[in-house]
Amino acid sequence: GDSVTQMEGPVTLSEEAFLTINCTYTATGYPSLFWYVQYPGEGLQLLLKATKADDKGSNKGFEATYRKETTSFHLEKGSVQVSDSAVYFCALSLRGQGAQKLVFGQGTRLTINP
Amino acid sequence: KAGVTQTPRYLIKTRGQQVTLSCSPISGHRSVSWYQQTPGQGLQFLFEYFSETQRNKGNFPGRFSGRQFSNSRSEMNVSTLELGDSALYLCASSYPGQGETQYFGPGTRLLVL
Repeated sequence: GDSVTQMEGPVTLSEEAFLTINCTYTATGYPSLFWYVQYPGEGLQLLLKATKADDKGSNKGFEATYRKETTSFHLEKGSVQVSDSAVYFCALSLRGQGAQKLVFGQGTRLTINP
Repeated sequence: KAGVTQTPRYLIKTRGQQVTLSCSPISGHRSVSWYQQTPGQGLQFLFEYFSETQRNKGNFPGRFSGRQFSNSRSEMNVSTLELGDSALYLCASSYPGQGETQYFGPGTRLLVL
């Protein structure tokens, strides 16, 4: 079935380090891909998205490129901040007869130390 | 525009009871989806409603049900609560024409004792 696999966490980095969180997917058809972020005690916030192959989503210094050939959507940021500490979820969206459903990866907890 | 709101934010129930959670979508959004988040199972899709009709359903027992009203507000109900139903329940809404982008509320944290 359709699924999303993220790199295992937790990930701990120093401030200003380069970040990569790997995400690969398995899907029938051509899904849209998303990164959501969850801060402690909160719901999910949309970070970025891409709807077709080779699209690049970007927001707040984060980027991810939809790679159909490797079925990947890796999240990157050139210089992380303490405020980026959160749990990051990669997700794909399936559509069937107009219905919407997100399939999530297991989440990657990121901690940034000053 | 106000975001997705969920009430209540926290809830404590005992086994065997039932519970109703409420979700108000972003103004103009007609699709509402519900997800369950637990440490063990992660984020799992419960169901989606559009124009008062359930369009999609996840793999949950019949104790989990929902509905949507004409103003797009949605409720989900869990009957005969079990300890394993303790979770964060998240509601998300989306707007036709904005593709599949779903915007989430803060969630309702349910603890079953």
